[in-house]
Amino acid sequence: EDKVVQSPLSLVVHEGDTVTLNCSYEVTNFRSLLWYKQEKKAPTFLFMLTSSGIEKKSGRLSSILDKKELSSILNITATQTGDSAIYLCAVEEGGNQFYFGTGTSLTVIP
Amino acid sequence: NAGVMQNPRHLVRRRGQEARLRCSPMKGHSHVYWYRQLPEEGLKFMVYLQKENIIDESGMPKERFSAEFPKEGPSILRIQQVVRGDSAAYFCASSPGTGSNIQYFGAGTRLSVL
Repeated sequence: EDKVVQSPLSLVVHEGDTVTLNCSYEVTNFRSLLWYKQEKKAPTFLFMLTSSGIEKKSGRLSSILDKKELSSILNITATQTGDSAIYLCAVEEGGNQFYFGTGTSLTVIP
Repeated sequence: NAGVMQNPRHLVRRRGQEARLRCSPMKGHSHVYWYRQLPEEGLKFMVYLQKENIIDESGMPKERFSAEFPKEGPSILRIQQVVRGDSAAYFCASSPGTGSNIQYFGAGTRLSVL
């Protein structure tokens, strides 16, 4: 069974659009949730969330965690072609075990 | 400050051969994780190591796969008697282990089994 589920699986938008990516999880001993951006090579770190309701922001990207709903969203406003990538959500369980979702593939069309 | 270094970047093996994948963590990082990424799938956890210790290998197949992180030198993921199904991208990540559990990833090794 998948412990981390991301939706949608893929998304195609036009430049300037705003997108919301979803991540839901089911782990026994939650410690943190992380978002990564994966282009052609290694995933690069975006955000780490541990507390519910506190938005983390970096430029046009923002993310928030809802521990009650066991979910997180990643928002990207005013999308650019350079935002095209796979966005991965990972959840850390106690004991330093990490579970990754399959990712959301985002394509931004000029 | 070099990031996580993995080598080789690409590795081609014939069925039955051995594959050795290397990972040098970021300077100051003592925790290493190995993941496998199959086409159209997410990263799957394989093994978590600290220096000279395997902490969690629950994601690693019981046969043919082994990992080590010696006191000196890189972490090694070894796959013996490779089969076509082992073809995948193998990513290594490292973290400081104290205070922050953010993982920093290497560029991966793409293994192709002929």
